[in-house]
Amino acid sequence: GAVVSQHPSRVICKSGTSVKIECRSLDFQATTMFWYRQFPKQSLMLMATSNEGSKATYEQGVEKDKFLINHASLTLSTLTVTSAHPEDSSFYICSARDRLDGGNEQFFGPGTRLTVL
Amino acid sequence: ELKVEQNPLFLSMQEGKNYTIYCNYSTTSDRLYWYRQDPGKSLESLFVLLSNGAVKQEGRLMASLDTKARLSTLHITAAVHDLSATYFCAVEEYNNNDMRFGAGTRLTVKP
Repeated sequence: GAVVSQHPSRVICKSGTSVKIECRSLDFQATTMFWYRQFPKQSLMLMATSNEGSKATYEQGVEKDKFLINHASLTLSTLTVTSAHPEDSSFYICSARDRLDGGNEQFFGPGTRLTVL
Repeated sequence: ELKVEQNPLFLSMQEGKNYTIYCNYSTTSDRLYWYRQDPGKSLESLFVLLSNGAVKQEGRLMASLDTKARLSTLHITAAVHDLSATYFCAVEEYNNNDMRFGAGTRLTVKP
């Protein structure tokens, strides 16, 4: 149980285009999903917390108009990188918290590697 | 703001040796996690520590938590090459959903 998927796993795009990344909880319902970014040889940095049915909460320094988050259902959150630039190239990882799990552990997706040319 | 410090950042070990990775954090927390990350991959959950004095062991890895000292350790016993990876600790601030990660410890186990 507690499986989180991400799609796509890898994407290459041209500068100026928008890219959408999906995060799905496959066998549980997640009222809260988290989006992280990881640059090479660095740690994970929380970008935003996504709550089903409400607006996402962004960390300081993360542009909400550039990184659009939609958490439309209890099993799906999407991150859209708008007008992507080479500096947005990174490994994006989502996680989800089981609504019914009192332990509150986050389950991580396999990540999406974004390369902006 | 919650800060999480890990050390060492780089660790090169000989097979068969023991070593400890340390994770200090700055504010009250009762949830600490250890993860493993292989190159190009996402995180693999190793341990969840939820109370003061918690100790968990899996194979050659053992994790402990001292909430009074705000310190967790990940002890490696008789290291083998397969343990080579980056290890992260992560802490949830008390009454807060957010998780903060340490910088990671890149472990290399040499034959």
